[in-house]
Amino acid sequence: DQQVKQNSPSLSVQEGRISILNCDYTNSMFDYFLWYKKYPAEGPTFLISISSIKDKNEDGRFTVFLNKSAKHLSLHIVPSQPGDSAVYFCAAGKDTDKLIFGTGTRLQVFP
Amino acid sequence: SAVISQKPSRDICQRGTSLTIQCQVDSQVTMMFWYRQQPGQSLTLIATANQGSEATYESGFVIDKFPISRPNLTFSTLTVSNMSPEDSSIYLCSVEDLGNEQYFGPGTRLTVT
Repeated sequence: DQQVKQNSPSLSVQEGRISILNCDYTNSMFDYFLWYKKYPAEGPTFLISISSIKDKNEDGRFTVFLNKSAKHLSLHIVPSQPGDSAVYFCAAGKDTDKLIFGTGTRLQVFP
Repeated sequence: SAVISQKPSRDICQRGTSLTIQCQVDSQVTMMFWYRQQPGQSLTLIATANQGSEATYESGFVIDKFPISRPNLTFSTLTVSNMSPEDSSIYLCSVEDLGNEQYFGPGTRLTVT
């Protein structure tokens, strides 16, 4: 039973355009959500997070949106840059409990 | 933030042998975690290693197969015992700081032949 799902294994976006990565979860008890970026041969790097009391959090080019009723969150990258090409994992947790990760979406930003 | 190093970065091991992976953090942290990422799959938590207590293992993982040591607040080891090809994976050490932000090591790529 996969509690955190990323249904798109890959996404290809042109440089300068918006990248939208989606994530769905099933456990309504999750109260914080995170996005990680992972380059090949490196560990995941924390990108941005959001708690369940908010519906939007913005940090530079990265914005995370949370729709609790739909149990859905998304990561928007605007404008997309070639250096954003990586695998993006969403993760969810409750309090300080362990994080549950999605399977990742590979983003490729082409010139 | 926390800077994490892992040794070895990669290894190729024979079936039936064991490998110990080391994780070193540049600051004292209470919570350390060990994850596994098998090819094409998500990150999966193996266990939580807190200093001064036994590691807490997730469902599907047992101490005999993945013994963990946590001798102090900056260091931990994970041993993959009696390896089989199914253990081929990337193993990642992770820590959580006081702000509940989580940081990952670069990973250890293990191939079992």
